Amino acid sequence: NAGVTQTPKFQVLKTGQSMTLQCAQDMNHNSMYWYRQDPGMGLRLIYYSASEGTTDKGEVPNGYNVSRLNKREFSLRLESAAPSQTSVYFCASIRTGSREQFFGPGTRLTVL
Amino acid sequence: LAKTTQPISMDSYEGQEVNITCSHNNIATNDYITWYQQFPSQGPRFIIQGYKTKVTNEVASLFIPADRKSSTLSLPRVSLSDTAVYYCLVGPSGNTPLVFGKGTRLSVIA
Repeated sequence: NAGVTQTPKFQVLKTGQSMTLQCAQDMNHNSMYWYRQDPGMGLRLIYYSASEGTTDKGEVPNGYNVSRLNKREFSLRLESAAPSQTSVYFCASIRTGSREQFFGPGTRLTVL
Repeated sequence: LAKTTQPISMDSYEGQEVNITCSHNNIATNDYITWYQQFPSQGPRFIIQGYKTKVTNEVASLFIPADRKSSTLSLPRVSLSDTAVYYCLVGPSGNTPLVFGKGTRLSVIA
């Protein structure tokens, strides 16, 4: 039981490049979330998916797109990376009706 | 979602009990109070959740007064490994995402 896994762990991009952050969970959870965390700050919600086939915007969705590929996987795409998107990205999943989110190890992204 | 207010930082010596209070004046009837812990370079980890009165688990206790406008996370006899950021979140059970504020940065000193 791996919990929530994220790939890659680290990534450096140049301004304008695109990339996809991958997230998968093996706990059969319905809901999945993507957050970003800037240095010294709390987590800010980018997008979430309450169930397979649905996605909704969070606090800071601009510059990102998501895909809920199936119940296990929820990916985050940066179409044209900008330095302001330098951050640590966390994926999380949660069982329906619960308040206990399970977080992945994070992806550290630097955009030059 | 209810707005929460908690101290930005706290210091404590090893072995002491630490109490972190969170204010949530506009908590709704169906809102729960949840606390998370985050170590450096890791994602947050669920600690405890409660609705009213007192909840205790192997890690912490959560005290919620009758009016539910605040809550207090109590960490007994902290050690250096309890140095982390602690987040208080308030919201209904279900799929509605909760908001992580800046949390309280606890530093435990030897």
